[in-house]
Amino acid sequence: AQSVAQPEDQVNVAEGNPLTVKCTYSVSGNPYLFWYVQYPNRGLQFLLKYITGDNLVKGSYGFEAEFNKSQTSFHLKKPSALVSDSALYFCAVRDKWDNYGQNFVFGPGTRLSVLP
Amino acid sequence: KAGVTQTPRYLIKTRGQQVTLSCSPISGHRSVSWYQQTPGQGLQFLFEYFSETQRNKGNFPGRFSGRQFSNSRSEMNVSTLELGDSALYLCASSLEWRGGLLETQYFGPGTRLLVL
Repeated sequence: AQSVAQPEDQVNVAEGNPLTVKCTYSVSGNPYLFWYVQYPNRGLQFLLKYITGDNLVKGSYGFEAEFNKSQTSFHLKKPSALVSDSALYFCAVRDKWDNYGQNFVFGPGTRLSVLP
Repeated sequence: KAGVTQTPRYLIKTRGQQVTLSCSPISGHRSVSWYQQTPGQGLQFLFEYFSETQRNKGNFPGRFSGRQFSNSRSEMNVSTLELGDSALYLCASSLEWRGGLLETQYFGPGTRLLVL
């Protein structure tokens, strides 16, 4: 069975500093990995995904994530945080070899607070 | 291109009633998935429809049901509402899944259901 862990409920970072939001996963086959962001009273917005290829994936709003197969991790990073990055971040995984539908498994979410 | 739309955005019901939520996917997207989001349980997969067929189902009781129409619009229904059904219900759409090529899910703003 697929699973996703986001070990930190809350991450606080000062504006201008680099940020990292952690994600580890477990799948039986090769993973598809995603990051989404949710602002208050909004749906989820797609940030980036890893399917195959380069382990460093660049996405929207200056975010990037690094796929590490040996550590089964897919941490989200940004070199310089903005106050407007404050939101709830979700990591999601889907087993590449699951042929039945779009059953994503989401992590519990990490609340990022960027302090001015 | 218009995004995923969900109606209504907010809903208040009482225990025992039933409710129907609607989701219109992005034009051209044939896969529609539904999720329930609560503070305690996080994001949980309800079901996924593709070409009017339910392809995948999460671990929810039979009170939760859905359907998809020929124009890919989808509805979900919850009968005999319980207090614990209070949640944000999110719909996501994606392009047709072709074996091995997983398309990104794009989310609507959600319907916030409050059961009193």
